[in-house]
Amino acid sequence: KAGVTQTPRYLIKTRGQQVTLSCSPISGHRSVSWYQQTPGQGLQFLFEYFSETQRNKGNFPGRFSGRQFSNSRSEMNVSTLELGDSALYLCASSRRTSGGIGDTQYFGPGTRLTVL
Amino acid sequence: AQKVTQAQTEISVVEKEDVTLDCVYETRDTTYYLFWYKQPPSGELVFLIRRNSFDEQNEISGRYSWNFQKSTSSFNFTITASQVVDSAVYFCALMYSGGGADGLTFGKGTHLIIQP
Repeated sequence: KAGVTQTPRYLIKTRGQQVTLSCSPISGHRSVSWYQQTPGQGLQFLFEYFSETQRNKGNFPGRFSGRQFSNSRSEMNVSTLELGDSALYLCASSRRTSGGIGDTQYFGPGTRLTVL
Repeated sequence: AQKVTQAQTEISVVEKEDVTLDCVYETRDTTYYLFWYKQPPSGELVFLIRRNSFDEQNEISGRYSWNFQKSTSSFNFTITASQVVDSAVYFCALMYSGGGADGLTFGKGTHLIIQP
């Protein structure tokens, strides 16, 4: 079974630009979560999508948004990039069956975003 | 609020030594889930184990073992006869079943260095 895939793997942008990252979950997984990893703040939860709806959101500004498509693929968008947005962005998928709180999340390789 | 503390920032041992990575968590929920992930230099988080709060059985998988103690809110991870391939950053994480953010709360990670 193929794992979680993320594209692109590396991205360089300048301040003020916007960026879109893509995530394809494991086949059969309906939930996609996004995390930001930085040396200073560590791993932080951004948001979760399930059935094309944002179910949960972490403590990030509105510049961070996402969506999920009917095939469970997800995209994450960051607008008006700031230097502090440089990070590894990790996507994770889980089955999220009914009442599936606590399902194991399987992570992709991440997208390393550098903002200059 | 949920919190995971991994007090050991970095551990360095010689190959074949046993090593224990500590994890202490805080949560007010009675139902929660604990995880360990491994992050090799490639960046992808690799799932190792999941435990729910009602299952205090210790687990052994090959050279890996986990000790879950609710009385001390700890979920420690031991590698027996360590190998160079075990070198990575290891993260302990918590997910709770209460309302609100459903993402994983991660500790800061322990960088494990296995020297040949």
